[in-house]
Amino acid sequence: EVQLVESGGGLVQPGRSLRLSCAASGFTFDDYAMHWVRQVPGKGLEWVSAISWNSNSIDYADSMKGRFTISRDNAKNSLYLQMNSLRVEDTALYYCAKSGCSSTTCYTNHWGQGTPVTVSS
Amino acid sequence: DIVMTQSPDSLAVSLGERATINCKSSQSVLNSSNNRNYLAWYQQKPGQPPKLLIYWASTREYGVPDRFSGSGSGTDFTLAISSLQAEDVAVYYCQQYYVSHTFGQGTKLEIK
Repeated sequence: EVQLVESGGGLVQPGRSLRLSCAASGFTFDDYAMHWVRQVPGKGLEWVSAISWNSNSIDYADSMKGRFTISRDNAKNSLYLQMNSLRVEDTALYYCAKSGCSSTTCYTNHWGQGTPVTVSS
Repeated sequence: DIVMTQSPDSLAVSLGERATINCKSSQSVLNSSNNRNYLAWYQQKPGQPPKLLIYWASTREYGVPDRFSGSGSGTDFTLAISSLQAEDVAVYYCQQYYVSHTFGQGTKLEIK
């Protein structure tokens, strides 16, 4: 059974940094691309970033470029999201999601439960 | 960026009746080299993460009931539920993954 468990969320002041982690199990992690998607409570889904199986292809939503960095450690079956210069509007539930393919140009077929991030002074 | 627009924003359908949700992309998501539409549909119930229903516009994910179907090509797509069940109450999202990734705004489906 595929399991994705996010961690690292919390309350942080504007301008500060936070690093999210996602522990994956139940599938061959280094066969698949991985994504981060966020959702403000009560609002829609917003795609954040994706990384290919071998980290050679990385993509970000325009509003996150230059502030967020996605990475993965295939030896640890883990996905990360380094978030810098956080803004109030980055407040959301952040989901880790498994791609259906090795490349980033693909749908996501499994999602974690999410980790909440609150940016507030 | 490709903008995805769903219609309607909300929908109320009687149990056993057909529900249809539309999704329009601002540019084609059809890859002519492999004839695939890079379009997925997700279902999200309250307090839960999204669940993949349909990918490549019309391929049903394993385990998804066959009352769910996807159709369309290019810029216009439809998710249909042939006979609405109570457990289908949810918000439905389309997503393009042809040029980066973008979601539609969501359609809330309720029972009439």
